[in-house]
This record gives sequence, structure tokens and C-alpha cells, in this order.
Amino acid sequence: AAGVIQSPRHLIKEKRETATLKCYPIPRHDTVYWYQQGPGQDPQFLISFYEKMQSDKGSIPDRFSAQQFSDYHSELNMSSLELGDSALYFCASSLTNSWEAFFGQGTRLTVV
Amino acid sequence: AQSVTQLDSQVPVFEEAPVELRCNYSSSVSVYLFWYVQYPNQGLQLLLKYLSGSTLVKGINGFEAEFNKSQTSFPLRKPSVHISDTAEYFCAVSEIGGQGGKLIFGQGTELSVKP
Repeated sequence: AAGVIQSPRHLIKEKRETATLKCYPIPRHDTVYWYQQGPGQDPQFLISFYEKMQSDKGSIPDRFSAQQFSDYHSELNMSSLELGDSALYFCASSLTNSWEAFFGQGTRLTVV
Repeated sequence: AQSVTQLDSQVPVFEEAPVELRCNYSSSVSVYLFWYVQYPNQGLQLLLKYLSGSTLVKGINGFEAEFNKSQTSFPLRKPSVHISDTAEYFCAVSEIGGQGGKLIFGQGTELSVKP
């Protein structure tokens, strides 16, 4: 069965650079969620989209932005990267009104 | 608002021994409860969930959990662990009627199974 696809799997950027993370949800899933998991931390909800509109917002820095496109894939754009942005970024997708979300393998971002 | 507390950051245990990972939650609304497992450098995999009905739920890999509403707890148990169970385990909640993928996670418990 198709799963949530995230790309790239690994990314190394320098401070003050920009990064773009991509998420391709399971086919027919209309809701996408982004999470950030710092080293030794639990995943923290960043933002979610339903039908290309932002549906909820968590602890996402102003330097980050995200969007969902017409094919339901989503991109997380991160600017002015800081060392503290080094983390594992997860994307999850679900059908609206469903209790179950499916997680991707994550993108490991390292800022040097 | 919801919060989840996993009382043990690390649990070392010998192979074939039983294990219990503790989880307590706090919420002003009704919630669904989940346990996820994360192997090193991997994503989050759903172990089991409690939505409604029987308070004892069984998941994959021989794990089970029991919802206790009065104690607001949802401990994860396995009667006999294997080396392959070594991983990080996260307890999580989501608001009933809310977005299913918006989860509040606990801090995680690192289960280390030794031979």
C-alpha cells in the first residue's frame, strides 16, 4: 500500500540558508500535518492543511511557512535557518474526520 | 488543552521479561489515545489505539494497553519482550472530533531490551 512520502530524507544546510521539505500524502488523503522532533524530544505539531487551506497552527516559527498544493502534496519552507532547527521533520496525512493519521519516514535536517 | 506525561524516560529490561511503560494524560475534552513506536532513524509506527469500547486494546507485536479513565492512564504492556522491541515509545492523544492527525505526544520512553 502507498505510504506518505517525504523528500529529501536527509538535508544539510548552513546557517541562514533556506530549506524546502516536501510531503506527498497517501492517495485520496486530503489533510496533511507537519511535526518537528528535536534531538531526544517528542514530536511537536507545527501546522496542518485541509483542502489546501491552513486548518490549524501549532508552535511554528515565523521563519517557517507551508502550503498545500492542488495535488494535495505539501511543502514546508524554512528560511534563515538556525542551528536549533536541526531536527527530524515528519509529515502525516489523513482523511478528514478520520481519527487515524499515517506518518512518513521523516526528513532529517542538519543545520551547520 | 491536552498534555501527556510518560513517567519513565528509560526502561531497561532483560529479554523475555515483562514490561510496562507508563502514560498519564490530562485533557479538558474527550480524547483518543495512542501508542507509537519509533525505531532508530525511522518514522512513527502506530502500535495500538483506544477509541471507545473495551478498555483493553491489543496492538501489533504482542503489545496491549488498558485505558483507565478514573486514573487518566493508558499503560503499555508486553508479557515477554524481545531484543527487537528496543525502540522509543510515545504515548499520544488527539481530541475526539478534532483533527485526527493533530497529536499531543508524551516525552517518550526508551525501551532497551538486553540479552
